[in-house]
Amino acid sequence: SYELTQPPSVSVSPGRTATITCSGNKLGDKYVSWYQQMPGQSPVVVVYQDSQRPSGIPERFSGSNSGNTATLTITGTQAMDEADYYCQAWDSDIVLFGGGTKLTVL
Amino acid sequence: EVQLVQSGAEVKKPGESLKISCKASGYSFATYWIGWVRQMPGQGLESMGFIYPYDSDTRYSPSFQGQVSISADKSITTAYLQWNSLKASDTATYFCVRFKQLEIFPMDVWGQGTTVTVSS
Repeated sequence: SYELTQPPSVSVSPGRTATITCSGNKLGDKYVSWYQQMPGQSPVVVVYQDSQRPSGIPERFSGSNSGNTATLTITGTQAMDEADYYCQAWDSDIVLFGGGTKLTVL
Repeated sequence: EVQLVQSGAEVKKPGESLKISCKASGYSFATYWIGWVRQMPGQGLESMGFIYPYDSDTRYSPSFQGQVSISADKSITTAYLQWNSLKASDTATYFCVRFKQLEIFPMDVWGQGTTVTVSS
C-alpha cells in the first residue's frame, strides 16, 4: 500500500526557514496538500495542489513537489507557526496522510 | 459563512452503537464530498471514508470498510458516521471535512471535532 513519510520533528529558530518533507513513491505525480494543526484545534489547509496557498494563509508558507518528495517551506518562521504539520495525497480514491511533523520554534 | 458543526462529545461502553453528525451550512451541500477523519489520542490523521450527498456515492478507506457506516441526509444538510458495536480502540476525535473533488481539491473546511470515549 502507498505510504507518505514525514520526519517526526523539525526544529527552527525564529526568523529562519523551516523545511518539512513528505516522501512517497512518485509523489510528484500526485497533488499534495499540507495541513497545520495547533494543539486542541482542527487542522487547517496551508498549501494545496503542491504550491497553492488558500486565501488568508501568510505568504511565508510555500510548497513544492517533485520526484518522490514534497516540501513545505516556512520562510521567516514565527513562534505562532509552532504546530503539527501533515502532508496529504491521494492513491486512487483513497486519502493518505503522512504521519505528521511537529514543528518546534526555539 | 461555510461551516461544518459537529455533534457533541460522547462517552459509550464497548458493544454500544453510536451515530455522530456533521451539520453543513453556507454552501451547496449536495455538490461537495463530505469525509470523516479519525485522530486517536496523541496520534496522526487517518481518513475513514467520504460520501457525495448528491447521489450518496460512498467510498471507505480499506482499514475502515465494514467497521463504520457513512451516510448523509440532503434535506437537512447533515452527514453521519455510525458504529454498530463500539470498541475501546474507537476512542478518538473524529473530524468531518469538506472537499470539492476527489484527488484535486483539499479538505478546505473542517468541523470542530467530536471526541468519542469508549470505556467500560
